[in-house]
Amino acid sequence: NAGVTQTPKFQVLKTGQSMTLQCAQDMNHEYMSWYRQDPGMGLRLIHYSVGAGITDQGEVPNGYNVSRSTTEDFPLRLLSAAPSQTSVYFCASSYRDTTYEQYFGPGTRLTVT
Amino acid sequence: SQQGEEDPQALSIQEGENATMNCSYKTSINNLQWYRQNSGRGLVHLILIRSNEREKHSGRLRVTLDTSKKSSSLLITASRAADTASYFCASGLPGGTSYGKLTFGQGTILTVHP
Repeated sequence: NAGVTQTPKFQVLKTGQSMTLQCAQDMNHEYMSWYRQDPGMGLRLIHYSVGAGITDQGEVPNGYNVSRSTTEDFPLRLLSAAPSQTSVYFCASSYRDTTYEQYFGPGTRLTVT
Repeated sequence: SQQGEEDPQALSIQEGENATMNCSYKTSINNLQWYRQNSGRGLVHLILIRSNEREKHSGRLRVTLDTSKKSSSLLITASRAADTASYFCASGLPGGTSYGKLTFGQGTILTVHP
């Protein structure tokens, strides 16, 4: 199993550009989530999904959209990038929800200039 | 705001010594989890303790949970240089839609000197 994969590993955007961060898992997990990690801080939840077709907001959802059309994929869309969105983004999945251990991807380092 | 606060922010020890990290949280939880993050990498799950458990062991790891004090601790015994990493606690809220939200602390940076 590949586990949780994320693409790209690195990305540089200009202010106002849009892009999609990809996340996929091959463990048939129901739960998937997106976090951002800023220097010296823990992870903050952006959006999560408890199954295909079901998404909800986390702690810092503004400026990001998600959808979950399949169990395997959970892309994160930045609508109009801002310098404040410069961060490392992690995708995670688990069997059902947060009562189970989370499996994390390797992260995407995003810089917005 | 962050649910979890970790203490200390940084810890430096010699190989063979024990390392203890503490985590406090603010509201009731369903479970508390600990993760390790090596520099530039994703997080790796270490251990999960549920709200009705008080202590759990996994290899050289020992986790305690005190729900009356809303705190948890992670003990790494006989530390090795390879244990050098950041350690995060994460709390899961109880019930219903809250099972979708896991809240992380800001982490403890552990450095183990050979």
